[in-house]
Amino acid sequence: NAGVTQTPKFQVLKTGQSMTLQCAQDMNHNSMYWYRQDPGMGLRLIYYSASEGTTDKGEVPNGYNVSRLNKREFSLRLESAAPSQTSVYFCASNPKRGAVSYEQYFGPGTRLTVT
Amino acid sequence: ILNVEQSPQSLHVQEGDSTNFTCSFPSSNFYALHWYRWETAKSPEALFVMTLNGDEKKKGRISATLNTKEGYSYLYIKGSQPEDSATYLCASSNTGFQKLVFGTGTRLLVSP
Repeated sequence: NAGVTQTPKFQVLKTGQSMTLQCAQDMNHNSMYWYRQDPGMGLRLIYYSASEGTTDKGEVPNGYNVSRLNKREFSLRLESAAPSQTSVYFCASNPKRGAVSYEQYFGPGTRLTVT
Repeated sequence: ILNVEQSPQSLHVQEGDSTNFTCSFPSSNFYALHWYRWETAKSPEALFVMTLNGDEKKKGRISATLNTKEGYSYLYIKGSQPEDSATYLCASSNTGFQKLVFGTGTRLLVSP
């Protein structure tokens, strides 16, 4: 099992450019998440998908869109990148069975710099 | 927005010392409390998920307790080792079991 994989590992964008961060998991998990990590702040939830076909906003969704392509894949799109989106982005997943809080499994992260 | 606070921000101990950290969270509508260990250049890895008041969990030399009525959790490390050096994150779920709010972490450095 590869677990949660993310591509790319690093990316530099110019202001206004667009890009999609890819995330995939091979653990047959129902729920997937996108977080951003900034210095001095905790991981902040951008969007999540409780199950295939559904997505919901987290704490900081502005400037992002997501797609839950299938059960394995959950992508994060920046339509017009801004310097404020410079961050490390983590994808995570967990099983979600019933009303139980399961631990989340994290990918290796994507370090994005917007100049 | 739920506010999860961790203290101390950082801690430097000697090998063999025992140590503990605190995580504070709003007690209203509490659902679950997670602890994660995050080593530099790696991804966060789950240590514990706790839901019940009075819960105590243990994994090797690391243990955690939960008080949902007063809104705090303690993480204990007994006999710290250099390999315990990492940032320890806690996260609370109040609005629903899917959405976690993370604290900023406690960075632990254990010197040989």
